[in-house]
Amino acid sequence: EPEVTQTPSHQVTQMGQEVILRCVPISNHLYFYWYRQILGQKVEFLVSFYNNEISEKSEIFDDQFSVERPDGSNFTLKIRSTKLEDSAMYFCASSSTRSTGELFFGEGSRLTVL
Amino acid sequence: GDSVTQMEGPVTLSEEAFLTINCTYTATGYPSLFWYVQYPGEGLQLLLKATKADDKGSNKGFEATYRKETTSFHLEKGSVQVSDSAVYFCALPPMDSSYKLIFGSGTRLLVRP
Repeated sequence: EPEVTQTPSHQVTQMGQEVILRCVPISNHLYFYWYRQILGQKVEFLVSFYNNEISEKSEIFDDQFSVERPDGSNFTLKIRSTKLEDSAMYFCASSSTRSTGELFFGEGSRLTVL
Repeated sequence: GDSVTQMEGPVTLSEEAFLTINCTYTATGYPSLFWYVQYPGEGLQLLLKATKADDKGSNKGFEATYRKETTSFHLEKGSVQVSDSAVYFCALPPMDSSYKLIFGSGTRLLVRP
């Protein structure tokens, strides 16, 4: 069964460092997303990406964040200068349509900022 | 705006007990409704859905009925297993031109042997 894969599964970094989280969405999907979940809290939307551009972003997704689809398979989230409060589980997701609500999630990348 | 409200957790049950996790929503129109599940150490996965009023979604012994009169989509299972221990999220699909899935706060279920 097709699945969304994410790397790394866990990254520890120092505050102020740049981090890149990588995702390989399901191959025939057109819509890509990043969500995050701070430990024990709600799942928060960060950004959606469609047709090679950001289609929607949340207030959390400020200038420190960027996304890219550098080739036909990868979808990356970059945090330029990490802060302590960026520590969270980051989930990549993809879908074949925008509006049905059926997203396929990866297993997540845990980011720990020290 | 559109929102989802779930009962607070954690919910702790013994194996074979009956489960209900409440979910109510606020939305314009009659959207589809979803339950996602997050097993320990894993990402979220779609558990079940209902696309219109009075529909019942079901999967893995779980059921939820779309009740428009009470704007609810409560998750139920007749006999829970230890393997059902997870966090359950009620969700609304993106509305209008949005791309954002609207999640409830999640309810942690712990099933004891």
